[in-house]
Amino acid sequence: DVKVTQSSRYLVKRTGEKVFLECVQDMDHENMFWYRQDPGLGLRLIYFSYDVKMKEKGDIPEGYSVSREKKERFSLILESASTNQTSMYLCASSATGELFFGEGSRLTVL
Amino acid sequence: ILNVEQSPQSLHVQEGDSTNFTCSFPSSNFYALHWYRWETAKSPEALFVMTLNGDEKKKGRISATLNTKEGYSYLYIKGSQPEDSATYLCAFRIRTGGFKTIFGAGTRLFVKA
Repeated sequence: DVKVTQSSRYLVKRTGEKVFLECVQDMDHENMFWYRQDPGLGLRLIYFSYDVKMKEKGDIPEGYSVSREKKERFSLILESASTNQTSMYLCASSATGELFFGEGSRLTVL
Repeated sequence: ILNVEQSPQSLHVQEGDSTNFTCSFPSSNFYALHWYRWETAKSPEALFVMTLNGDEKKKGRISATLNTKEGYSYLYIKGSQPEDSATYLCAFRIRTGGFKTIFGAGTRLFVKA
């Protein structure tokens, strides 16, 4: 059963804390993505990666960075969390265009 | 600005009702249209991908149609069941150099037994 696994389902952090969201896929996909989902809005792309150590900014990269040291793992980093980063974060991987998603990480920043 | 509109935002139906939702997208630079189903506490899962004008896809009681010339896709559910309760996401994929996927905000379906 193919799988995209996100490390934390629920996190509560304080403003200014550094936050790591981890994502691992077991499908040997080249492409990996981080999205955030907010009420009333479509999924918005934060960053994506098409290969190890490669990264590209999505539509809303401000306040985020990413790391892809291994093909199967794509990490999203919030260097200094802010309240407007409270959201649902979805990781996805893809080979041919169809996206395979994790279950999401709901982050609350107080 | 590329925008994907889904309507309605939410829908409440009774078990057994048939229902349909709309996804509207720009008709230029079209590459593919994806539908995903996202059940609460689960991962979004792909339902259909459609690439050609006039495409129709079917999976059990769920079907979808595509009109790329006028920029819309319909998703139909025949005889809704409580297990169909989910958010249905439409994603429009374009090719301008590289690929880009733009998501709609989704239609939230509630099916009451």
